[in-house]
Amino acid sequence: DQQVKQNSPSLSVQEGRISILNCDYTNSMFDYFLWYKKYPAEGPTFLISISSIKDKNEDGRFTVFLNKSAKHLSLHIVPSQPGDSAVYFCAASLGSGNEKLTFGTGTRLTIIP
Amino acid sequence: EAQVTQNPRYLITVTGKKLTVTCSQNMNHEYMSWYRQDPGLGLRQIYYSMNVEVTDKGDVPEGYKVSRKEKRNFPLILESPSPNQTSLYFCASNLAGGRAGELFFGEGSRLTVL
Repeated sequence: DQQVKQNSPSLSVQEGRISILNCDYTNSMFDYFLWYKKYPAEGPTFLISISSIKDKNEDGRFTVFLNKSAKHLSLHIVPSQPGDSAVYFCAASLGSGNEKLTFGTGTRLTIIP
Repeated sequence: EAQVTQNPRYLITVTGKKLTVTCSQNMNHEYMSWYRQDPGLGLRQIYYSMNVEVTDKGDVPEGYKVSRKEKRNFPLILESPSPNQTSLYFCASNLAGGRAGELFFGEGSRLTVL
């Protein structure tokens, strides 16, 4: 049973426009959410996170939004740049002190120059 | 440079031939784990370790073993590999009590079992 779902396997966005990646989860006990970015032949790298007590967290061009009632989070990238082309995984954990992550299936983002 | 190092990066083997994928981190992290990545399934946790001599099963532990004799090393052992263990494997580490889930990953080990 996939507890964290990314329903879009791929997404193409024009350079300079906004990229929106979506993620849904089913386990209401998840308390902390993260996005990871993965380039080919490299391991995933941490991008941004959000605690369930917040509904928004921003870091430069990246913003994560959390809607707990809908069990939905999204990652916004503005403006999108060619270097943002990668696979993005959302992940969830049961909260601080619990390092285990449950990952989504990933979305491949392609930024078109 | 802070890093998680996995070896080998690529391996082709045959069914039943024991193999070990090594993982080493130089950040003095207590927590280490192994994940496998498969198409359409994302990253799934195989085993994890909260500290030396403390290991536990993740979501897909069948067919794997691990050990944690030293803080820096966390090898993944496939005693009798089978074709369904063909996958891309990642080792990860984190400081226990650090920001939850902000794992540092190795570059991955692509394993093919014929």
